[in-house]
Order: sequence, then C-alpha cells, then structure tokens
Amino acid sequence: DQQVKQNSPSLSVQEGRISILNCDYTNSMFDYFLWYKKYPAEGPTFLISISSIKDKNEDGRFTVFLNKSAKHLSLHIVPSQPGDSAVYFCAASAPGGYQKVTFGTGTKLQVIP
Amino acid sequence: SAVISQKPSRDICQRGTSLTIQCQVDSQVTMMFWYRQQPGQSLTLIATANQGSEATYESGFVIDKFPISRPNLTFSTLTVSNLSPEDSSIYLCSVGTPSYFGPGTRLTVL
Repeated sequence: DQQVKQNSPSLSVQEGRISILNCDYTNSMFDYFLWYKKYPAEGPTFLISISSIKDKNEDGRFTVFLNKSAKHLSLHIVPSQPGDSAVYFCAASAPGGYQKVTFGTGTKLQVIP
Repeated sequence: SAVISQKPSRDICQRGTSLTIQCQVDSQVTMMFWYRQQPGQSLTLIATANQGSEATYESGFVIDKFPISRPNLTFSTLTVSNLSPEDSSIYLCSVGTPSYFGPGTRLTVL
C-alpha cells in the first residue's frame, strides 16, 4: 500500500523555467509533509516542509503547495537551474510519528541548460 | 542539522553471508532510523533504534534478519543477515526532524 505517490518518475525542464513536481497521499492522518532532494551516491537532503495547517510555504526558489481536500502537494522550483537536477522525494508523517516519515518513489528532475 | 557518516559506503557480498553497517552521528540523539531503498523504489523504514532498548521493527522486517545495536547516543549498527540477491539495496540511517540522512551504504549481493 503506497501511501505517498509520485506518479511522474521523471521530468525535464529548461533552465530558467518552472519545475513542478507533484505528490499525492492517501493517509488522511498525515499532517506534516516534506520534500527531499537526492543526488547519486548521497543520502537525501531535506529541502522544504509544510504543516497541514498551511497551504503554502516558500523558501527562496522553492515553494510547496498543499491541497488537503485533494490530498495533493506540489513543489515549485522557480527558476530552475542545472544544479537542481536530482531525484526529488515527497514524504509525509502523522501526529506522534513526526520523526517517522513515509516516502514516495521519487521524481527524477533534469534541468536542461 | 546533524552530520552522519556510514561505513562501508558500498560492499559486494556473497549469498548467505552477513554485512554490518555502521552509522555515526556528530551529536547525541535519542532515536536513529534505518531505511532501505531497493532499486527504483522509495525509501522504506526498517526499524527505529533507541538507546538502551530493543529496536522497533516495521511490518515486514524482523530482528533475525536485521539485528540492530544501539550502544550509545551517537552510534548504531544494522546487520543484514543471511544475504540474498533481494537484499541488494541502499541502506541509510537517519536522525532528527526533519530527517537528516547519512550518505548510505550500497549493498550488492551476488
């Protein structure tokens, strides 16, 4: 049972344009959502998070949007840079298990110079 | 943030043997987590390791196959026992909220 789903395994975007990575979840108990970036041969690196009491969180070029009614979140990267090329994982946690996160399968982003 | 190191970074093992992976954190933490990432799959939590108590395993993972030690607040080991090719994965330890991850150990079982 995949509770966090990233239906797009890959995405290619031109440098300077917007990258939009999508994530859906099924567990209505999730109240904290995170995005991680992973380069080859490295562990995932925390990027940005959002609590379920918000619908948007912004950090520099990265913005995460949460639509609770649709159980959907998205990560926007504007403008996209070649260094953003990596695998992006969506993750979620439930109350009381805030350190125990459930991950999606990842989306490989390629930013083309 | 936390700085996490893992040893070995990669290994190739024969079927039926075991591999012990070490995880070292640069600060004291109560809980350490071990994840597995099989090829093309998401990260799956194996177990939570608390210092001074037995590890808590997730559904589908058992202590006999994945014994864990947690001798102090900065260190943990995960052993993958009786290896089979299906154990070929990246194994990662993590701490904190949000989770900070080590660089991972890439295991290949022949």
